[in-house]
Amino acid sequence: KAGVTQTPRYLIKTRGQQVTLSCSPISGHRSVSWYQQTPGQGLQFLFEYFSETQRNKGNFPGRFSGRQFSNSRSEMNVSTLELGDSALYLCASSVGNTGELFFGEGSRLTVL
Amino acid sequence: AQSVTQPDIHITVSEGASLELRCNYSYGATPYLFWYVQSPGQGLQLLLKYFSGDTLVQGIKGFEAEFKRSQSSFNLRKPSVHWSDAAEYFCAVGPIIQGAQKLVFGQGTRLTINP
Repeated sequence: KAGVTQTPRYLIKTRGQQVTLSCSPISGHRSVSWYQQTPGQGLQFLFEYFSETQRNKGNFPGRFSGRQFSNSRSEMNVSTLELGDSALYLCASSVGNTGELFFGEGSRLTVL
Repeated sequence: AQSVTQPDIHITVSEGASLELRCNYSYGATPYLFWYVQSPGQGLQLLLKYFSGDTLVQGIKGFEAEFKRSQSSFNLRKPSVHWSDAAEYFCAVGPIIQGAQKLVFGQGTRLTINP
């Protein structure tokens, strides 16, 4: 069974631009979560989608948004990029309600 | 508030030596506990999990962890480390909200292996 796939793996943007990251979950997993990982803040929860509905959201500004499609694939968008948005963005999928997450390799965003 | 503390930011051990990584949690209910490992430039891989039952759980790559409710701890152990175990290790607790898949992670412990 294929794992969680994230695209693109690396990208460079400049301040003020926007970016869209994509995540394909493991087949059969209906929950997709997004985390931001930085050296200073560690792993921080962004949001979770289940059956195309946002089920929970972390403490990030409204510039961070996401959505989930009927096939469970998810995208997250960051608008008006800031230098501090440089991070590894990790997507994880899960089945059930135990919190057991299966992570992708991440999308590394650099904002210049 | 729920939290996870990994007291050791960086640990160095010699290849073949035993390993113990510490994790303490604060959680209002019976926790689900996890250890994940992250190699450089990669995502997180689940090593093991504790949901209920036997407090000593076995994971992949020869790792085990013991849940101690009285100490609010979930320490990760391995009897003999290999050079390939060099990575960052994260302890996590969750789900924080019923019905939502949200984990709270510790800050991680970076493991270096001396040959």
